[in-house]
Amino acid sequence: DIQMTQSPSSLSASVGDRVTITCRASQGISNYLAWYQQKPGKVPKVLIYAASTLQSGVPSRFSGSGSGTDFTLTISSLQPEDVATYYCHKYNSAPYTFGQGTKLEIK
Amino acid sequence: EVQLLESGGGLVQPGGSLRLSCAASGFTFSSYAIFWVRQAPGKGLEWVSTISGSGGNTYYADSVKGRFTISRDNSKNTLYLQMNSLRAEDTAIYYCAKRYCTSGSCHFDYWGQGTLVTVSS
Repeated sequence: DIQMTQSPSSLSASVGDRVTITCRASQGISNYLAWYQQKPGKVPKVLIYAASTLQSGVPSRFSGSGSGTDFTLTISSLQPEDVATYYCHKYNSAPYTFGQGTKLEIK
Repeated sequence: EVQLLESGGGLVQPGGSLRLSCAASGFTFSSYAIFWVRQAPGKGLEWVSTISGSGGNTYYADSVKGRFTISRDNSKNTLYLQMNSLRAEDTAIYYCAKRYCTSGSCHFDYWGQGTLVTVSS
């Protein structure tokens, strides 16, 4: 089975910082990757799918890139409302594994 | 308006059974694969099971294979998860999530609010 490994598992950054979260697949998954944001006490919300397609309504400071085994989620200018846990998710075939999550806090 | 409403969670002893339901509305239920995703307290998201729109294809995580059964009744717009031989490690909030695909790209566009399953003696 393909494993999805995110890094870091947590990070603290200042408002306005550029933040990058990485997701690595143990085997190639082309661009069949989505990113989700989960705020405390809330259900997850899709940010990016097809590795780099921004979901409608998501602020443009969020972007995704990558293909194959290495993917990144970037927040160009961190805002206070971006405090959340972020998950990558492979959806090409079962098992539909999530990454373990990256908890993002404001410094 | 699309809605997914889970029910059936609760406290159950190890080795016991529960059946979760997910009532859907606001979309053509039979046209979409639906997923069960769980989240243990303070932990990350874990994919549990998937069923195709017709119900003809089902998939399970290794952690639940042989113990859980996913099914759907398209006439009732309802998804089910029969959970048997429950273990403490199955304790989690269970979410149903609708998958939307376009041009081969997919994502979960709607989630239910979740139902809590607690396995404890």
